[in-house]
Amino acid sequence: SQTIHQWPATLVQPVGSPLSLECTVEGTSNPNLYWYRQAAGRGLQLLFYSVGIGQISSEVPQNLSASRPQDRQFILSSKKLLLSDSGFYLCAWRSGGYGGYTFGSGTRLTVV
Amino acid sequence: QQQVKQSPQSLIVQKGGISIINCAYENTAFDYFPWYQQFPGKGPALLIAIRPDVSEKKEGRFTISFNKSAKQFSLHIMDSQPGDSATYFCAAAPMNRDDKIIFGKGTRLHILP
Repeated sequence: SQTIHQWPATLVQPVGSPLSLECTVEGTSNPNLYWYRQAAGRGLQLLFYSVGIGQISSEVPQNLSASRPQDRQFILSSKKLLLSDSGFYLCAWRSGGYGGYTFGSGTRLTVV
Repeated sequence: QQQVKQSPQSLIVQKGGISIINCAYENTAFDYFPWYQQFPGKGPALLIAIRPDVSEKKEGRFTISFNKSAKQFSLHIMDSQPGDSATYFCAAAPMNRDDKIIFGKGTRLHILP
């Protein structure tokens, strides 16, 4: 069966520090992968998506970047965090054919 | 910009009542309409989904009604329970998996005990 792993679950980082969030998918190949951010009590904001290794599309200009070094690995990074980067970060994947996204359990990032 | 418009933003329902959340879409290229349920601190989870070739899909207390001509679909939660209190997102997905799924902005549902 397919599973998605996202870590860490919680992260507190000082302003100006770097960030690396990792997401991996098991049990499928060539998934489409997505990074979303959700502010408290708000909707889902798509940040990046990838349809293949090394292919990254950015939805919103910002302080973040994404990379896909392997087929089932998606990484969200920042060189210097801002207070406004705080939020709930969600990784998701989609396989071929009919179906929606499967989301990870999320990472709560607090920048202090 | 393709949109999925979801209403209401928030909803309070008495235990045992019917919760109704509505969504409307603009693009006829969508052919899969999922609903997601999200509890605080958790990722959204697929609740129920429908394809546009049917007008209704029921799974337990959850029903999707779909009106293709009006480009509208809705989620009905029968006999609403306090455990149903969560945020619900409707979405519209194109068949081409490389195209993005479009989400509504969410509805915060609170069921009064």
